[in-house]
Amino acid sequence: DAKTTQPNSMESNEEEPVHLPCNHSTISGTDYIHWYRQLPSQGPEYVIHGLTSNVNNRMASLAIAEDRKSSTLILHRATLRDAAVYYCILGELGTYKYIFGTGTRLKVLA
Amino acid sequence: AAGVIQSPRHLIKEKRETATLKCYPIPRHDTVYWYQQGPGQDPQFLISFYEKMQSDKGSIPDRFSAQQFSDYHSELNMSSLELGDSALYFCASSALGRGSAYEQYFGPGTRLTVT
Repeated sequence: DAKTTQPNSMESNEEEPVHLPCNHSTISGTDYIHWYRQLPSQGPEYVIHGLTSNVNNRMASLAIAEDRKSSTLILHRATLRDAAVYYCILGELGTYKYIFGTGTRLKVLA
Repeated sequence: AAGVIQSPRHLIKEKRETATLKCYPIPRHDTVYWYQQGPGQDPQFLISFYEKMQSDKGSIPDRFSAQQFSDYHSELNMSSLELGDSALYFCASSALGRGSAYEQYFGPGTRLTVT
């Protein structure tokens, strides 16, 4: 099922911006790009999603490459509560499932 | 705001026993998804339902079955439990039958331990 590649882990200092990359070179024209994060022993939490244009919400920003083969989740000011595993997932139009990859474990340093 | 409710939160069973996990979606959400997350692993999709019909199926063992009821809640039935079934089981829901194109909201999970 593919379909996304993310670095296993990243570190950031508190109150600094964080850019989490995701490659999805086999993305189709109708696949949505979703980002979720998961804290230990909790359910994944929706962060943001988009199709072609960059998106902003109160939690983060999503920058999507022009060819859509990659995207970047941007946390503008990392806090200790942002330490989690971040998953980039392609949502195929017409399907009813997410295929999780390995995600990026973000460590935030005080 | 109302969230996805899962019960029970913790369940301990012995090998070869059966277990039933319940999921109550966010009000007005019509689609339910089940995921399994083993220790140190990423969530794996099991099965989903839209308007009480199975909509997608993943790596769900034949020993497991699920359904969605008229009030949109869903139950995952697991029989002949094995040690390897020990995991966190998440339910998620989404609105308006839009499936994977739109966001899913996850519950807190049921931790199943098989001894």
